Amino acid sequence: DAKTTQPPSMDCAEGRAANLPCNHSTISGNEYVYWYRQIHSQGPQYIIHGLKNNETNEMASLIITEDRKSSTLILPHATLRDTAVYYCIVRVGAGGTSYGKLTFGQGTILTVHP
Amino acid sequence: DTEVTQTPKHLVMGMTNKKSLKCEQHMGHRAMYWYKQKAKKPPELMFVYSYEKLSINESVPSRFSPECPNSSLLNLHLHALQPEDSALYLCASSLAGTSGIDEQFFGPGTRLTVL
Repeated sequence: DAKTTQPPSMDCAEGRAANLPCNHSTISGNEYVYWYRQIHSQGPQYIIHGLKNNETNEMASLIITEDRKSSTLILPHATLRDTAVYYCIVRVGAGGTSYGKLTFGQGTILTVHP
Repeated sequence: DTEVTQTPKHLVMGMTNKKSLKCEQHMGHRAMYWYKQKAKKPPELMFVYSYEKLSINESVPSRFSPECPNSSLLNLHLHALQPEDSALYLCASSLAGTSGIDEQFFGPGTRLTVL
């Protein structure tokens, strides 16, 4: 699976949008971008995933560049409860030998402050 | 029920003890996972079971022995552990559909301390 690069930490004011970047310049055509987060003392939580197109769900939006070498997770209105470590993960889809395997990088510690 | 449960929440054991961690889900998921997470580090995959068969073992020492008695239950048997095995042990499950694209649901973890 392709490696990812994320900033170690970011700050965001409550109520503002949090934009978390991720670089995955070696991504392959059959690899998806996943985002998970881990709130302190809890297990990781799935947020969103995408292949080429931008995706949105009730938690966040995922913007993937046209060359797929980077992506941005957007939390539109951050709250204090969004303070967590955010992991960007790239993994293969169907048919890949890494099926089911998530390789976590160091992630970004997002701190939302009042 | 969209929950993965893990017991116990905390476990302290000596290096000569034998203990087991338990994980349960009732979402009809057919893939289950064990991860290990050291303090201030990301989770690391240990084992993957798919349809009750071990499909991935990430070269984990034999003192960790996984077991999947049925599609809802996953155990991790521990024996002769070392202090450096102290960590948060996370269980996860996923649908294991044919697309290979599925989100993993994680439990809260078992905090293990080896004395």
